Amino acid sequence: ETGVTQSPTHLIKTRGQQVTLRCSSQSGHNTVSWYQQALGQGPQFIFQYYREEENGRGNFPPRFSGLQFPNYSSELNVNALELDDSALYLCASSLGTGSNTGELFFGEGSRLTVL
Amino acid sequence: GNSVTQMEGPVTLSEEAFLTINCTYTATGYPSLFWYVQYPGEGLQLLLKATKADDKGSNKGFEATYRKETTSFHLEKGSVQVSDSAVYFCALSDRSGYSTLTFGKGTMLLVSP
Repeated sequence: ETGVTQSPTHLIKTRGQQVTLRCSSQSGHNTVSWYQQALGQGPQFIFQYYREEENGRGNFPPRFSGLQFPNYSSELNVNALELDDSALYLCASSLGTGSNTGELFFGEGSRLTVL
Repeated sequence: GNSVTQMEGPVTLSEEAFLTINCTYTATGYPSLFWYVQYPGEGLQLLLKATKADDKGSNKGFEATYRKETTSFHLEKGSVQVSDSAVYFCALSDRSGYSTLTFGKGTMLLVSP
């Protein structure tokens, strides 16, 4: 069983640039969620994708956008980067939505630094 | 809105000591409650969960009981090991129709030999 993989693991950008982060979900999982984890904080929900459509969004501005592909892999795009976007971005996959099992399978994250 | 409050760390213990990490929550309705653990260099992993009041979740010697009357879900272990050193996150999932989690800030546990 292949786990959740994310790329890149680390990256550095400057203010105003754009970034794309990638995630391959665990085999058999059709739902991908993205979380932002600032230093010393718990993860915060950005959005979730189910069958290639956005299926819920947290309190993040529209410059945070995403995609899910037919193979259930996903991308997180952030435009017009700000210093406060520096964080660990976590991808989590699960089977189905609304299950409320809370059993999300997380990748190791992509650490973004904005200078 | 939903929120989770955890005790601040780091919690520093000697091997075989008793562990308690406090967690309280605010939520509408009847959320499901979870503890996730993040070992150094690894992703978050589900440690245990409880889906209704008075349920006890347990795994790897850790336990937590869903207390609706005190809105709490404290994590306990009778005898910690060095390998338990990690960051522990309490989280809840409401029943809004999709499985998203609200996390606490995390509590770092450091266990020394």
